[in-house]
Amino acid sequence: EVQLLESGGGLVQPGGSLRLSCAASGFSFSNYCMSWVRQAPGKGLEWVSGISGSAVNTYYADSVKGRFTISRDNSKNSLYLQMNSLRAADTAVYYCAKCGVVGKDLDALHTWGQGTMVTVSS
Amino acid sequence: QLVLTQSPSASASLGASVKLTCTLNSGHSNYAIAWHQQQPEKGPRYLIKLNTDGSHIKGDGVPDRFSGSISGAERYLTISSLQSEDEADYYCQTWGTGIVVFGGGTKLTVL
Repeated sequence: EVQLLESGGGLVQPGGSLRLSCAASGFSFSNYCMSWVRQAPGKGLEWVSGISGSAVNTYYADSVKGRFTISRDNSKNSLYLQMNSLRAADTAVYYCAKCGVVGKDLDALHTWGQGTMVTVSS
Repeated sequence: QLVLTQSPSASASLGASVKLTCTLNSGHSNYAIAWHQQQPEKGPRYLIKLNTDGSHIKGDGVPDRFSGSISGAERYLTISSLQSEDEADYYCQTWGTGIVVFGGGTKLTVL
């Protein structure tokens, strides 16, 4: 069974940093692109960042470019999101999601984690 | 710029059918999309991918009541024999060079 389990969320002050992790299991992790998607309270889904299976290619939404860094460790079946210079507007539930097709850099998001809450507040 | 447009809300009666619409903006009518369901207080769930070659790929365990179709720049999700648990937010998603885009979501109310 494919499973994605996020961790690392919490309360952080504006300007602070946080690192999210996503532990993957049940599939050949290195073969699939992955993404981070967030959802602010009461709002819709917003794509944050994506990464190819090999980690060679990374992509970011304009709203986080230069502040967030996506990475992965295929030996540990893990996906990460390093978030720096956090703002109140970054407050959201963050989901990791797996692409549906092998070998693509970005694709339909076929499996979702349960999410981890990030709150940016003083 | 890649944009997906959805109506904010829809409603239909228990046991009836409903067709949700997701529209690609001009110049992007040949893009594949995916539909996702988000029930209250839960994370999103992948429902179906609509490829422009006519192939559709459903998620594991998604009931046959859920189906998709394409017409021009419109992408549809049809839910038949509506059940109370179908009351949820529905999002369409597409992707292009270096970007993933979500529609604003449609809140479906089952009457």
